[in-house]
Amino acid sequence: AQKVTQAQTEISVVEKEDVTLDCVYETRDTTYYLFWYKQPPSGELVFLIRRNSFDEQNEISGRYSWNFQKSTSSFNFTITASQVVDSAVYFCALSEEGGAGGSYIPTFGRGTSLIVHP
Amino acid sequence: DVKVTQSSRYLVKRTGEKVFLECVQDMDHENMFWYRQDPGLGLRLIYFSYDVKMKEKGDIPEGYSVSREKKERFSLILESASTNQTSMYLCASSHPAWGDLGGEQFFGPGTRLTVL
Repeated sequence: AQKVTQAQTEISVVEKEDVTLDCVYETRDTTYYLFWYKQPPSGELVFLIRRNSFDEQNEISGRYSWNFQKSTSSFNFTITASQVVDSAVYFCALSEEGGAGGSYIPTFGRGTSLIVHP
Repeated sequence: DVKVTQSSRYLVKRTGEKVFLECVQDMDHENMFWYRQDPGLGLRLIYFSYDVKMKEKGDIPEGYSVSREKKERFSLILESASTNQTSMYLCASSHPAWGDLGGEQFFGPGTRLTVL
């Protein structure tokens, strides 16, 4: 079973629409970290946000917002008033303790491709 | 400006060749990672390193090895390249995750490797 599930393979919207990208994770740890990354057509992944398991506060950054709910093991990402520049592949990732020396090992979802049409 | 650089953007090799992919970061990060990215499969972890000379296998280490002799440099080695290793290879680095800090990865531009 996947540890990070991004069920939406591709989403297509028209500019100015709001869009939510879903991320569901699975872990037995009480301490873990969640991340979102953006991979634009140019190819380089860019970090967007980090959440630790003890901080369930939602976050808003401009047109971007994130909803972290431990009860449903979800960390969803909403883009308000989408723009063409938002077109990219978005990855959700989970880091759990598992490596030597207590290091946290990341697992990525398969990504959601967002296409914003003008 | 923080950076992760990879030695090549595009590489074409023949089956059986030994291939070296180099990654350098200038952020003094303890952790470094190698992933491969294939359509529909997302990013899969090959190896990671949490310190100089230390390495751990990821989800798909078969056919690969790594070397980390200096903190800033992490090399991925394909001992005998095969066609099923044709892929995009991404290097990343991070500080260790701890409390409210660390864990977020910084990625290089990727190397698209084709094995003929």
